[in-house]
Amino acid sequence: AQKVTQAQTEISVVEKEDVTLDCVYETRDTTYYLFWYKQPPSGELVFLIRRNSFDEQNEISGRYSWNFQKSTSSFNFTITASQVVDSAVYFCALSEEGSGGYNKLIFGAGTRLAVHP
Amino acid sequence: DTGVSQDPRHKITKRGQNVTFRCDPISEHNRLYWYRQTLGQGPEFLTYFQNEAQLEKSRLLSDRFSAERPKGSFSTLEIQRTEQGDSAMYLCASSLDIGQETQYFGPGTRLLVL
Repeated sequence: AQKVTQAQTEISVVEKEDVTLDCVYETRDTTYYLFWYKQPPSGELVFLIRRNSFDEQNEISGRYSWNFQKSTSSFNFTITASQVVDSAVYFCALSEEGSGGYNKLIFGAGTRLAVHP
Repeated sequence: DTGVSQDPRHKITKRGQNVTFRCDPISEHNRLYWYRQTLGQGPEFLTYFQNEAQLEKSRLLSDRFSAERPKGSFSTLEIQRTEQGDSAMYLCASSLDIGQETQYFGPGTRLLVL
């Protein structure tokens, strides 16, 4: 069965610290996509990144970086020099292909990140 | 604003009442999804529309739930005879009709059933 595990329920850091959010997934599919979303207190899920299962290159976008390792079924997310505005719940998600080629997302339980000044 | 919009943002109702939520997807997106998120959990898939056709429904969607997308544009999610267990955030997302495209989410409707 498809499953996403985010073992860290809550993380608390002081501003400017680096922080890594872990994500481990299970899937039978050979082709799949992984996503990270951010959910600030307002509630809206904000898309951060999508990664194809065939592309294991790490990606960096400003202070954000992602490490995808197929061998360990992990897709970890690192925030460098964290800021108070990074405080949110972060979700890792795995796409599961439904009938007709669309994808429904299987989400982890989320990691709540609190960045303190 | 060309993102996904949802209305209302908050709804408080009494047990047994019917409620209806609306979702307006990004205009060029043919795919529309509904998810439910309870406190402390990640969103869970409820149902999916390809244009006006509802192609999949989760077993989470009991007989009291019905969703429509009559003209392939906006969608409505109705809950009849609400129960306290229906209290949750209801999220709508849309995506392009190309493979496993990124889903963009609306702000959600937070439902509280008293």
